[in-house]
Amino acid sequence: AQSVTQPDIHITVSEGASLELRCNYSYGATPYLFWYVQSPGQGLQLLLKYFSGDTLVQGIKGFEAEFKRSQSSFNLRKPSVHWSDAAEYFCAVGAEGGSEKLVFGKGTKLTVNP
Amino acid sequence: GAVVSQHPSRVICKSGTSVKIECRSLDFQATTMFWYRQFPKQSLMLMATSNEGSKATYEQGVEKDKFLINHASLTLSTLTVTSAHPEDSSFYICSARGGRGTYNSPLHFGNGTRLTVT
Repeated sequence: AQSVTQPDIHITVSEGASLELRCNYSYGATPYLFWYVQSPGQGLQLLLKYFSGDTLVQGIKGFEAEFKRSQSSFNLRKPSVHWSDAAEYFCAVGAEGGSEKLVFGKGTKLTVNP
Repeated sequence: GAVVSQHPSRVICKSGTSVKIECRSLDFQATTMFWYRQFPKQSLMLMATSNEGSKATYEQGVEKDKFLINHASLTLSTLTVTSAHPEDSSFYICSARGGRGTYNSPLHFGNGTRLTVT
């Protein structure tokens, strides 16, 4: 079964600084990978996804993520963080072959200092 | 864009009563809906997958007689927490996927329901 690890529970960055959120997955075959963002008391919004092809994917709000099969990683990056990016970020993996279920990591809470 | 409406956003109920949570797809037909439970500072745990017109598929460890799921139409799925107890207090989130198949159909999330059982 697939699993997701987000090693960092909480990250604090200054506004304007660069950001990288780590995500490692475990799955034997080709994974479908996602990053979602959740604001307090809200549902989840999809930032970006990787299915195949170019390993560097662009998402909304200036985010990007790079799939590295050799490292089983799908880290999320943003060159310059804005105060409005403060939220909880979840990495998720889905399995091909018919299952539509997503398995989520435990999330990384991002705090942005002015 | 596609919107999933979840209602109510907050509910407080007494122990032993039942609570119904609705998940509606507002501008698309959702053939598949998912119900998640999220504990504080934890990830989303998938509870069940519901497909319109058929029985829901529950994840291991989820009591299907306690968490009743009904996906009676292409725009509505309901989760009923029966005989709620304080340990059922949690944040419940639904998501809906339009179209059949896999991940090419985007997954849209509701804003969640905060359930507190006293």
